[in-house]
Amino acid sequence: NAGVTQTPKFRVLKTGQSMTLLCAQDMNHEYMYWYRQDPGMGLRLIHYSVGEGTTAKGEVPDGYNVSRLKKQNFLLGLESAAPSQTSVYFCASSGPRLGQGTYNEQFFGPGTRLTVL
Amino acid sequence: EDQVTQSPEALRLQEGESSSLNCSYTVSGLRGLFWYRQDPGKGPEFLFTLYSAGEEKEKERLKATLTKKESFLHITAPKPEDSATYLCAVQAGSNYQLIWGAGTKLIIKP
Repeated sequence: NAGVTQTPKFRVLKTGQSMTLLCAQDMNHEYMYWYRQDPGMGLRLIHYSVGEGTTAKGEVPDGYNVSRLKKQNFLLGLESAAPSQTSVYFCASSGPRLGQGTYNEQFFGPGTRLTVL
Repeated sequence: EDQVTQSPEALRLQEGESSSLNCSYTVSGLRGLFWYRQDPGKGPEFLFTLYSAGEEKEKERLKATLTKKESFLHITAPKPEDSATYLCAVQAGSNYQLIWGAGTKLIIKP
């Protein structure tokens, strides 16, 4: 099992350019997440999905869009990149809740380091 | 406002010197508290989940404990390979979102 994979690993964009980050998981997980990680701050949730064809906003959704057309894939798009979007982006997945109040751990990909000039 | 605070920000220990990392939280309706380890340039790796005050879990040199206000990650006789950033996250209420702390960077010197 590859677990959670992310492409690309590194990317440099100019302000205003667009790009798509791809996340794939082979664990048949229902839930998938996109986070950004900045120095000195905790992981912040951008968008998440609780199943194929569904997406929802997280804590910092502005400037990003997502799609989950297939259960195993979760795409993160930047339509017009800004320097404030320079960050490390992590994708994660988890299984459904085990029961009332019991949550599964999240499995993370290796990250994408994005620089916007 | 739901919040998770980790302390210290960084901790330097000699090999074999035991210590604890702290994760304090203020949330409504704790559903679970998670500990992760993150190595440089990699994604976080799951360590433990704790669900209720008084619960403890162990894995090798690590032991996590939970009270109603905080969690501790105790590391006993650490080795250099335990060096990493340790992240704490909380799930509260019916929210799918985890609330993350900023992490504690642990450095173990040989």
